[in-house]
Amino acid sequence: QVQLQESGPGLMKPSETLSLTCHVSGASLSSGANYWSWIRQSAGEGLQWIGRIYASGRTDLNRSLRSRASISADTSSNQFFLRLRSVTANDAGIYYCARLGWMDTHFDLWGQGTVVTVSS
Amino acid sequence: EIVMTQSPATLSVSPGERVTLSCRASQGISNNLAWYQQKSGQAPRLLIYGASSRATGIPARFSGSGSGTEFTLTISSLQSEDFAVYFCQQYDHWAPMYTFGQGTRLEIQ
Repeated sequence: QVQLQESGPGLMKPSETLSLTCHVSGASLSSGANYWSWIRQSAGEGLQWIGRIYASGRTDLNRSLRSRASISADTSSNQFFLRLRSVTANDAGIYYCARLGWMDTHFDLWGQGTVVTVSS
Repeated sequence: EIVMTQSPATLSVSPGERVTLSCRASQGISNNLAWYQQKSGQAPRLLIYGASSRATGIPARFSGSGSGTEFTLTISSLQSEDFAVYFCQQYDHWAPMYTFGQGTRLEIQ
């Protein structure tokens, strides 16, 4: 079955660039069947959609994060990535990768999440 | 940005009871509404999409309804495994943008 697995550094210092990876197994990013997304969750902000990427490389980002976030993909390794520049304590939380379902209206499959802490 | 408001924030109920959770959108979203269940330490799990369609493997005791700005998730007879936090989520295809409600926590009374 399709599975998503996030990986990342865990602990960041303020002003650093966060880089996260989502490895997809059981499905091919290059098939173009789905959009793939990043979502984060924190006590302060709740669940926040960060952005999505399609097989073609087309991305859409949350307007509030557009100046700092970018999403890319490597179809040869079946992975997609999040980069978030200039992190602050407000960027701490659990980061999930997820698959967008039919008609791209909902997230039908989630990774287990990776915890990001920001501290000097 | 479309804001999603869930009520109540917390609901204390007993197993076997019927429960209804509410979600309101700040503007009309047609039926672009999904519901998720999240248990402690786990990722959210999709329950309902398109306001009323059950996701694969979701028991029939979960049902969704509504359109426009008012939506509900009903659990017909609460089981012990249903005590969790429930989130609604909308999709604005014009933006595109996805936003979540702040969640309703179901507690054992």
